[in-house]
Amino acid sequence: GAGVSQTPSNKVTEKGKYVELRCDPISGHTALYWYRQSLGQGPEFLIYFQGTGAADDSGLPNDRFFAVRPEGSVSTLKIQRTERGDSAVYLCASSQEAGADTQYFGPGTRLTVL
Amino acid sequence: GQNIDQPTEMTATEGAIVQINCTYQTSGFNGLFWYQQHAGEAPTFLSYNVLDGLEEKGRFSSFLSRSKGYSYLLLKELQMKDSASYLCAVRDHSSASKIIFGSGTRLSIRP
Repeated sequence: GAGVSQTPSNKVTEKGKYVELRCDPISGHTALYWYRQSLGQGPEFLIYFQGTGAADDSGLPNDRFFAVRPEGSVSTLKIQRTERGDSAVYLCASSQEAGADTQYFGPGTRLTVL
Repeated sequence: GQNIDQPTEMTATEGAIVQINCTYQTSGFNGLFWYQQHAGEAPTFLSYNVLDGLEEKGRFSSFLSRSKGYSYLLLKELQMKDSASYLCAVRDHSSASKIIFGSGTRLSIRP
């Protein structure tokens, strides 16, 4: 079956611009997670959704970052007033339910802020 | 909070065995994961340990000692395709769904 998909695969933007990153989880997975990965580091937790609601957003670095999942499937991570330090690979993962042993990761979106 | 330590880089020879260690400090423990990540690709799940002991899955085994805050991933009969980063991660005590990752160990396999 189809895995987790993310679009775009690459995004280059200028400092101060707004970007949206999209994640399409595995069909039927109720839990969805966003991570950020910088070069040479492991993924850093940002936020997770159980259904439509953000169950834990403690990893969002500041109020420029926001994520939604209005229908409990596709999620969008939104970054306002981008800064060069936001450059990273943004990974999305999904699991059958919150607390499931296995999270399945998408290929990521590489964001570059010039 | 959680603190996870693993070596930054390791090198091993094709056909050999390698052990990648991971130590963690945590206020509460709810399971430990190992993920494999090839350069430019997404992490893929390898193993999950919640109880002490060794879990074997083909060429890969994972060991956990909760009292020592220690785990290792053992890779046998190494193949060139095993060249990748190996990420140790701990499930956060405060939230069963939040996983905290280490920085990863970059493993290079030489012929």
